[in-house]
Amino acid sequence: EAQVTQNPRYLITVTGKKLTVTCSQNMNHEYMSWYRQDPGLGLRQIYYSMNVEVTDKGDVPEGYKVSRKEKRNFPLILESPSPNQTSLYFCASSLGTSGSNEQFFGPGTRLTVL
Amino acid sequence: KQEVTQIPAALSVPEGENLVLNCSFTDSAIYNLQWFRQDPGKGLTSLLLIQSSQREQTSGRLNASLDKSSGRSTLYIAASQPGDSATYLCADSGGGADGLTFGKGTHLIIQP
Repeated sequence: EAQVTQNPRYLITVTGKKLTVTCSQNMNHEYMSWYRQDPGLGLRQIYYSMNVEVTDKGDVPEGYKVSRKEKRNFPLILESPSPNQTSLYFCASSLGTSGSNEQFFGPGTRLTVL
Repeated sequence: KQEVTQIPAALSVPEGENLVLNCSFTDSAIYNLQWFRQDPGKGLTSLLLIQSSQREQTSGRLNASLDKSSGRSTLYIAASQPGDSATYLCADSGGGADGLTFGKGTHLIIQP
């Protein structure tokens, strides 16, 4: 089944403890990105990647890192999480090298930082 | 910068009614417009994608239209069912590498 998977689905952590949220897609998509969703603010893009080893900042990149060593994986790294990073996170992918193609989303990761 | 607005923020209608959800955008230079459905605690499911050269797309009971000149898109749901209850999001792509700009969504409740 064609899909975008994320792990973990739920995570509670404490301020400053490094964490990684994994994202993987099995559709051979070039483009991958991360969004966060917050009440009243909607979905905002954090980082995106047009291809392996090519990443760039979205609208709200502060406090996050990403890497794209393989085409199928695009992990989101929080080196020192803070409470304002409590949010619902979505990974997305699309076929082409831009965000113009139909986007497919993962199931989301709900992160709470205490 | 593109802004996408969805009105109303919430809508409750009896089962069986036809309904229209609205999406407006400030910059008509969009590449495509995508409608999503989001169920509580779940991810986004893509419903319809309209390319900028198209005026509408249909899938089952859903029909989405796009009018770039007026900066509007609508999602028409025919013969609504309780299973249609969800939050509906529209998102515009400007054609570049920086992904989608989302509206804040319309929370739809279909009363049995």
